[in-house]
Amino acid sequence: DVKVTQSSRYLVKRTGEKVFLECVQDMDHENMFWYRQDPGLGLRLIYFSYDVKMKEKGDIPEGYSVSREKKERFSLILESASTNQTSMYLCASSLTLTSGIQGSSEQFFGPGTRLTVL
Amino acid sequence: GQQVMQIPQYQHVQEGEDFTTYCNSSTTLSNIQWYKQRPGGHPVFLIQLVKSGEVKKQKRLTFQFGEAKKNSSLHITATQTTDVGTYFCAGPGGGTYKYIFGTGTRLKVLA
Repeated sequence: DVKVTQSSRYLVKRTGEKVFLECVQDMDHENMFWYRQDPGLGLRLIYFSYDVKMKEKGDIPEGYSVSREKKERFSLILESASTNQTSMYLCASSLTLTSGIQGSSEQFFGPGTRLTVL
Repeated sequence: GQQVMQIPQYQHVQEGEDFTTYCNSSTTLSNIQWYKQRPGGHPVFLIQLVKSGEVKKQKRLTFQFGEAKKNSSLHITATQTTDVGTYFCAGPGGGTYKYIFGTGTRLKVLA
C-alpha cells in the first residue's frame, strides 16, 4: 500500500515565522502535490512537482514555496506565516499525471497537517 | 479559469434513504475522479471515469459520467452510517495536468 506521511498532524506558529511542512511517500511516485483545504472551498492546489527539483505553481502559490531534493520528499515552506494561512494542508502523490497504460493518476493523500497561525 | 462545482454542499439523510451528489465542470473533462473523505480523515480515491456516458458501480455506489463529459454524479443507494463523509469530484484542468477539485458534498446519515 502507498503510504504518504506528513511531519506533523497539528502545528501552531506565530505570524512572521518560517514554517516547514514535510511530506514523504514510499511508493516511488514521480508526482507530489500540496493542497490546502478550507471549509466551503474544497481542496486548492498550491504547488506540485513532477520530478526531483521540478515544480509547477498551482492555483494559490502566493506566500508559499516548495522544495523537492529527493524523489520521496516534498516540502512546503511558508516564508513568513500569516493568519490567513491557517488551514489544513494535505500532501498527495501519484504515479502518473494522466491515466493510461502507464498507470493511474489517482492521488494518495497524507493525513494532513492542521496549521494554526497566531 | 476552469471551475468544478458540486451540489449540494450539504445533505442530511435518514439511514436507508438514497443520496446523490452532482459535479459540474465549466469545461469538457478527459476524465473525472471521485474521492471520499471521512470526518477527521484524508481524501481517499474511489473511482475514475473516462468514457462519455460511462456508468460504474461499486456495491451501493453508482458513478456516472455525462455524455458531454462536463458533468458527473455519484448515487448511493440505501445509505448507511459508514457512508458519512465528504465526497469530492476532481477533473484535470484544461491543458494542464492539475486536477481541479470540486467544493465537495458533505453527507450526514441519521440513524
